[in-house]
Order: sequence, then C-alpha cells, then structure tokens
Amino acid sequence: GQNIDQPTEMTATEGAIVQINCTYQTSGFNGLFWYQQHAGEAPTFLSYNVLDGLEEKGRFSSFLSRSKGYSYLLLKELQMKDSASYLCAVRDESGGYQKVTFGTGTKLQVIP
Amino acid sequence: KAGVTQTPRYLIKTRGQQVTLSCSPISGHRSVSWYQQTPGQGLQFLFEYFSETQRNKGNFPGRFSGRQFSNSRSEMNVSTLELGDSALYLCASSPGTSGGITQETQYFGPGTRLLVL
Repeated sequence: GQNIDQPTEMTATEGAIVQINCTYQTSGFNGLFWYQQHAGEAPTFLSYNVLDGLEEKGRFSSFLSRSKGYSYLLLKELQMKDSASYLCAVRDESGGYQKVTFGTGTKLQVIP
Repeated sequence: KAGVTQTPRYLIKTRGQQVTLSCSPISGHRSVSWYQQTPGQGLQFLFEYFSETQRNKGNFPGRFSGRQFSNSRSEMNVSTLELGDSALYLCASSPGTSGGITQETQYFGPGTRLLVL
C-alpha cells in the first residue's frame, strides 16, 4: 500500500514564497505529481517528477528525492489566486497494477 | 480540443438505489480513470479503463463497477448505494500507452457530485 503525508493547511502572504512538503512510502515508485484544486473545481496538473531533482515551471517548482521519499512544491511571488488545495500524488506499481494515489491535500490560503 | 466532460453534474439518490455516471475523455485519449473525492479521505482511485478493458483498480467493493466503450467514453456504476457513497466522483483522461499509465498526465473532468439520502 501507500502512505502519503502533506500538511493539512498553510497560510502565506501575497508576494511571498511558500513550500508545501509531501512525504510518501511506496514499494514501486513510478512518478510523483502535483495538482492544484480550487474549491468546487476539478484538480489541474501542475508538475511531474520521476527523477531526483528540481523541475521549474514559471512561478512553480517541484523537487523530488526518491531515496528520502520526499517532494516539495515551491510557489514563488504568491498571488491571491493561488489560494487553493495542492494535491501530491504518487504513481506506483504493485501486484501487477499501476495506480495513482493522492494525498489528502494542503489547503493554502494567501492573505494580503 | 474539448476537455473531459462528465454527466450529470449533480445527482441525489436514496440508499439502496443504483447510479450510473458518464465520462467523455479528451478526443484521442484512450485511458479513463475514476476517482472518489470526500473531505475526509481525499481523492481515492477507483479504477482505470484502457481500450475497453479494466487495466488497474483500487480498493473499492464490488458495488463499484465500470466499463468503457469503443469510443473511449466510460461509465461508472454504483449499486446498492450507501450514505457513505456521497462524494464527488471525478473522471480523468490521458492518452494511454501500452505500458500502462506511465509517463502521462491526467486531465480531470468537472466531476459529478452525488448525494445519497
């Protein structure tokens, strides 16, 4: 099975930088995703990591350490519209099946 | 390109009834995955269909089933509804490769919000 942990809630100030951590335990790791989900909306893809290191995409960056079972999503120059839940999801293969398991999400509130 | 569509968007049922939800993937996508989202449990994987076959599955009881048609549209059925089945049901599509859902991003539909009374 899998265990994915991320903080439940975070608050940050507009214009600042925030780091959302995600730790996971899995036996057949095959990639980690970050999704953004605004209240009442579907999740939208932010980033994908399968190798160790940092992936940068504009104001968003995601880091992965497979040996530590650890990832983080870094949001720079925070904007009010970044207030949303951020979901960490791990893909693995176990028992002949591949599946994507989501964490419960980190609700980020950006304040003025 | 149109996105993933799901129907209906909202549904109210009573315990013991059954329900069928529909998902149309992005044109050209062959893989469709279904998820259940509740406030307490987050997003939980139900199953994935590829080329009309269930390729992967999560840990849900047999009351939850699905199918995929030749045009890649997928339906999910829940029989003998329970109060705990109240949730947002999300469908996600991806291009789909013969090797499984590796290396692919999933695109989510708006979801069907099911309320069981």
